[in-house]
Amino acid sequence: QQKVQQSPESLIVPEGGMASLNCTSSDRNVDYFWWYRQHSGKSPKMLMSIFSNGEKEEGRFTVHLNKASLHTSLHIRDSQPSDSALYLCAASGNNYAQGLTFGLGTRVSVFP
Amino acid sequence: GPKVLQIPSHQIIDMGQMVTLNCDPVSNHLYFYWYKQILGQQMEFLVNFYNGKVMEKSKLFKDQFSVERPDGSYFTLKIQPTALEDSAVYFCASSFRDRNTEVFFGKGTRLTVV
Repeated sequence: QQKVQQSPESLIVPEGGMASLNCTSSDRNVDYFWWYRQHSGKSPKMLMSIFSNGEKEEGRFTVHLNKASLHTSLHIRDSQPSDSALYLCAASGNNYAQGLTFGLGTRVSVFP
Repeated sequence: GPKVLQIPSHQIIDMGQMVTLNCDPVSNHLYFYWYKQILGQQMEFLVNFYNGKVMEKSKLFKDQFSVERPDGSYFTLKIQPTALEDSAVYFCASSFRDRNTEVFFGKGTRLTVV
């Protein structure tokens, strides 16, 4: 069983629309969640991180965290074709010497 | 922003041969990682390296794998001998701390074992 589960597997969003991605960890030792974006053939790049309950907004991106359920979500408003990519959720914790544990990702396609 | 460089971007090697994947981490980072990603599957942790030593490794880090970073040179992943199931994209990453810190990734080396 995956320790970090993401849904949906893929998402098609019209340009200007809202994309909503979900991620849950089954490991109670998780402290932090990270959202990375990976364009095809490129390295994953960190978008946002969150460790406190609640919401964090940076530009068009908003991330939510519910620590009790270990669920995080990423919302992209006013989606642009350049947002088309693989979005990876990762988790880390104080007993994680291995950096990050990744989910399988959500592939987002934004069409004009 | 900070960059992790990986060389080469692609490598094709005969099964049973040795391969070395090279990584130039972010200059002031202290912790180095290798991850493996098979097409269509998740990115999986292989190994974490700090101060010249392997700190933690996963069950994917087989006995045929080794890592090192001689002073002033690349952080390397060596596979000897290679097997067909080693075909994957290998991502090098680095971070300043070992826990709850942003990890920076390279573009990956696509290894094909034939």
